[in-house]
Amino acid sequence: EAGVAQSPRYKIIEKRQSVAFWCNPISGHATLYWYQQILGQGPKLLIQFQNNGVVDDSQLPKDRFSAERLKGVDSTLKIQPAKLEDSAVYLCASSPLLESYNEQFFGPGTRLTVL
Amino acid sequence: AQTVTQSQPEMSVQEAETVTLSCTYDTSESNYYLFWYKQPPSRQMILVIRQEAYKQQNATENRFSVNFQKAAKSFSLKISDSQLGDTAMYFCASNTGNQFYFGTGTSLTVIP
Repeated sequence: EAGVAQSPRYKIIEKRQSVAFWCNPISGHATLYWYQQILGQGPKLLIQFQNNGVVDDSQLPKDRFSAERLKGVDSTLKIQPAKLEDSAVYLCASSPLLESYNEQFFGPGTRLTVL
Repeated sequence: AQTVTQSQPEMSVQEAETVTLSCTYDTSESNYYLFWYKQPPSRQMILVIRQEAYKQQNATENRFSVNFQKAAKSFSLKISDSQLGDTAMYFCASNTGNQFYFGTGTSLTVIP
């Protein structure tokens, strides 16, 4: 079974520019998560989708971050405009169902550097 | 909000020895789940082991086992017969009502 795919793997931008990340979850997985992992810290959940609906986005900085999962499959995370503190690895994960015990399957991440 | 604390930023162990990684958490929920994830260098994060809070029996997966102390809100990971491939960052995580919280991680190095 194919894993969670993310692109690009690396991105370098200037502050105040925009950037978008793409995630393709494991086929059939209803739940999709976006995490931000700053160097030296654990992943922080930004947003969680169940199919194409948002379950939780309480930690998403909505003034500059947005995410969508229009058809309940692929998802994009956008940052506009980027700040220096947005430099991090952005992880996408998926799981079969919206259950607390479910294992999350992680993608390789996108490493963002904001200069 | 929940918090997950890993107080050991770095640890090392000799190959074939046993090592224990510590994790404490704080939650007001009665039902929750705890996880240990492994993130090898430049590789994807994968699940190592999970524990359901209402189960008293400690979870075990081959060389990996946990010591779950619910009253103390402690969830440590024991790795037996350490192998070079166990070198990685290890994250403790809790999940209540679909809110996932990760600790800051412990970098484990297995020394040949």
